[in-house]
Amino acid sequence: ETGVTQTPRHLVMGMTNKKSLKCEQHLGHNAMYWYKQSAKKPLELMFVYSLEERVENNSVPSRFSPECPNSSHLFLHLHTLQPEDSALYLCASSQEFGYEQYFGPGTRLTVT
Amino acid sequence: QKEVEQNSGPLSVPEGAIASLNCTYSDRGSQSFFWYRQYSGKSPELIMSIYSNGDKEDGRFTAQLNKASQYVSLLIRDSQPSDSATYLCAHARGRRALTFGSGTRLQVQP
Repeated sequence: ETGVTQTPRHLVMGMTNKKSLKCEQHLGHNAMYWYKQSAKKPLELMFVYSLEERVENNSVPSRFSPECPNSSHLFLHLHTLQPEDSALYLCASSQEFGYEQYFGPGTRLTVT
Repeated sequence: QKEVEQNSGPLSVPEGAIASLNCTYSDRGSQSFFWYRQYSGKSPELIMSIYSNGDKEDGRFTAQLNKASQYVSLLIRDSQPSDSATYLCAHARGRRALTFGSGTRLQVQP
C-alpha cells in the first residue's frame, strides 16, 4: 500500500536533537492524523488536520509540533524529546471525518 | 466506561476454525464501524467497514453490526496462521476522528 507514505521509517535521536517526521498521502484525502503507539498500548490520537487546519490537539506536550502545509503533506517536528516518547508514530488520512482512515507504515522512533 | 471495549485476548483458535472477535461501544450515535488488522510492528490495515445493521461479507471475513445492542463483531472463516494479528475495532460519530479499541490479539494454531 503506497497511498500514505512516511519518512523516515526508523529514527534514533538524542534528547537534545531536533528532527522531523514526514507524511504524504496520494489519495486526495482532506483529513490527516498523527497517532502514537507505544509498546503493547492502544493507539493514541495526537493531532487532527482538516484541509490544513488543525481541528484537534489531544493534550500533546509542546515538544511535539505538527505542521500541515497542504492537504497532502503532514509533518511532526520533534525537539527535546524524552525516552518515554519512544514509540511507533503513525500517520493516517481519510476522505472526510467518519470515513475509513488509511495508515502509513509508521516511523519507529527511539529516543536515547 | 471505555468508548470502545475489546477483549485483549489472546484468542486462540485452531487452523481452519472460525474466529469470532467482538467489540462493544458506548456511543449510541455512532454511525460507521471499522475493523483493522495490525501485525506486530506494522501499521493498522483496514479490512472491513460496516454502516448498517446486519451482516457484511468480504471473502473469509464477515462483519456483523447490531446498533440496538451496541456491538459489532468480526468473523474469520477458515482461519489461517497468517491471520494471527491484533484486530482493532473502530467507530465514528459525525465529523470526528475514529475512536479505536485496544485490540484483540488472535493466534491461529497450525
